[in-house]
This record gives sequence, structure tokens and C-alpha cells, in this order.
Amino acid sequence: NAGVTQTPKFRILKIGQSMTLQCAQDMNHNYMYWYRQDPGMGLKLIYYSVGAGITDKGEVPNGYNVSRSTTEDFPLRLELAAPSQTSVYFCASSYSLVFSYNEQFFGPGTRLTVL
Amino acid sequence: KQEVTQIPAALSVPEGENLVLNCSFTDSAIYNLQWFRQDPGKGLTSLLLIQSSQREQTSGRLNASLDKSSGRSTLYIAASQPGDSATYLCAVEGQGAQKLVFGQGTRLTINP
Repeated sequence: NAGVTQTPKFRILKIGQSMTLQCAQDMNHNYMYWYRQDPGMGLKLIYYSVGAGITDKGEVPNGYNVSRSTTEDFPLRLELAAPSQTSVYFCASSYSLVFSYNEQFFGPGTRLTVL
Repeated sequence: KQEVTQIPAALSVPEGENLVLNCSFTDSAIYNLQWFRQDPGKGLTSLLLIQSSQREQTSGRLNASLDKSSGRSTLYIAASQPGDSATYLCAVEGQGAQKLVFGQGTRLTINP
């Protein structure tokens, strides 16, 4: 299994440009997540999905959009990039049932710079 | 709103020492707590997960404890090695939340 994969690894955007960060998992996990990590900080949840066709906002959703058309893929869309979106973005997935623990598996991250 | 704090932000110790990393959280109604390791420029690797009904978990030289009533967890690393140098993050999952709230991490350096 490849686990959780993310592309691209690095990207530089100009202010106002748009892009999509790709995330895929091959573990048949129902839950998927997008986090951002600013320098010296922990991770903050942007959006998450509990299954195909279902998404919900996390702590810092402004400026981002997501979709989940398949179990495997969970792309994150940045519209009108701003310098405040310079960060490292992590995708994660888990197999979660009600009343069970929720170990999350993380991708290697995408380092995004907006200039 | 759940808040997770890790102190200290950075720690440097000589090789071979035993050490403790601390994590505190404000809402004791948690489902589980996870400790992660993050190497520079890399993703997160799960080290230990403690369910709310457990008090500790062990893996090799690592031992994590959980005291829900006081809102604290510790990660104990025995006989530290230079390869243990990394940032260690703790995260809690609230009951019914299916979402993790992370601390800011402790950057650990083990000096040969």
C-alpha cells in the first residue's frame, strides 16, 4: 500500500492565483482530512470528509474548498491565493467507526508559498 | 473549545538521558490522545494512541500516560538517542468529534 499520497511536494503561487492540492489514499479509509501547519505551530484542521459526497468545515476553512467524489481522493482547492495561505498542507485519513478509536495516517505534505 | 498545550517548546538533552514531554488539554471529555513524531520536512508518524479508558501505552523505549481528570499526558522516552531528535506533537480527539486538536509540538534535540 502507498498509504496517503500528496502532490505536488512544493509549489510557489502568485497572489490571486488558484490551485488544487491532490490527496489520495489506498487504505479504503472512510474519513479524510486536510490540515495546515504554520511554522512552529501545530496542525489546524481546514476541512474533513466522513465519506464520499460528504464534507464539513474544520477550524480554518476560509479561502479553501474541497470535494469528495470517491473514497480514495480528497482534493483541496485554493481560490485567489493570499500570502496568509503560505503553509505546509497535510492530508490524512482514518477508518472510523462510532465508539472506536480514530488513528489517523498522514501524507508527506505539500509546502506552499504565496508571493 | 478544546485547547492543547505542549511545554516546553524546545528541549535539548545529552544522549542516554531519560526525558519527559508534557501535553495538557482543557476539556477532559476526550475520546483518545495520540502522540506523533515529525521529522524536518516530513509528515507525521503516529507513535502511540491512548484510548480514554486507558492510562498508558508502551512501545519500545516510549511510554505515554494519560490522566483525563487533570487534563494531562506525558511521553516518556528512555535512554534517548540522537535518532530521537524530532518534533513531538500530541493531539486529542473529543468525544463524538472524529477530529483531532493538536498542540504546537516540542522540538527535541538529543546531543551525541
